[in-house]
Amino acid sequence: DTAVSQTPKYLVTQMGNDKSIKCEQNLGHDTMYWYKQDSKKFLKIMFSYNNKELIINETVPNRFSPKSPDKAHLNLHINSLELGDSAVYFCASSHSGTQNTGELFFGEGSRLTVL
Amino acid sequence: AQSVSQHNHHVILSEAASLELGCNYSYGGTVNLFWYVQYPGQHLQLLLKYFSGDPLVKGIKGFEAEFIKSKFSFNLRKPSVQWSDTAEYFCAVNTGNAGKSTFGDGTTLTVKP
Repeated sequence: DTAVSQTPKYLVTQMGNDKSIKCEQNLGHDTMYWYKQDSKKFLKIMFSYNNKELIINETVPNRFSPKSPDKAHLNLHINSLELGDSAVYFCASSHSGTQNTGELFFGEGSRLTVL
Repeated sequence: AQSVSQHNHHVILSEAASLELGCNYSYGGTVNLFWYVQYPGQHLQLLLKYFSGDPLVKGIKGFEAEFIKSKFSFNLRKPSVQWSDTAEYFCAVNTGNAGKSTFGDGTTLTVKP
């Protein structure tokens, strides 16, 4: 069983389009994240949700809108895609509260290519 | 805000050579420290972690790391690398602040057979 699963794994689209990436975790964690990894492998946090509530939003353009329908799901919708959005997007999850040690469990990544 | 610095951007070794990757962080309080590994085309996986206690921690695949509080360092070591260790290695720090982890810029390790 995949603990943190993302779909799709690969996404190729044109500039200006809107696309979504979905993430689901079956670890029973309360906190979920989106990280962006650029072509130089730099890994930066974008968003964090705890029990469906946004708790971290790291100066990400408004074109990016996360949505958490429940604590096991965190989706990422991107409007008006730009060339610079090309990257690998990783979903992750962790425990929360006193159980949160900072250890992250990552999905397999979604490689977005904007042409 | 905390920051993490990995000094070696790209390391090339021959099999059986010893490895040490540097990681320094800046934060004055208590931290939890991690090393993650990303094999080519794969997601990040936990290699080892330090929360408290013995500052020398052992992880999977023969890796270990030593936390030196006075130097704000958490260097990763392996006595003898293998070709299969070729990967990207990330050091990360978590201060318990709303679950936010800060990652270093990563070190690419290439092991020649």
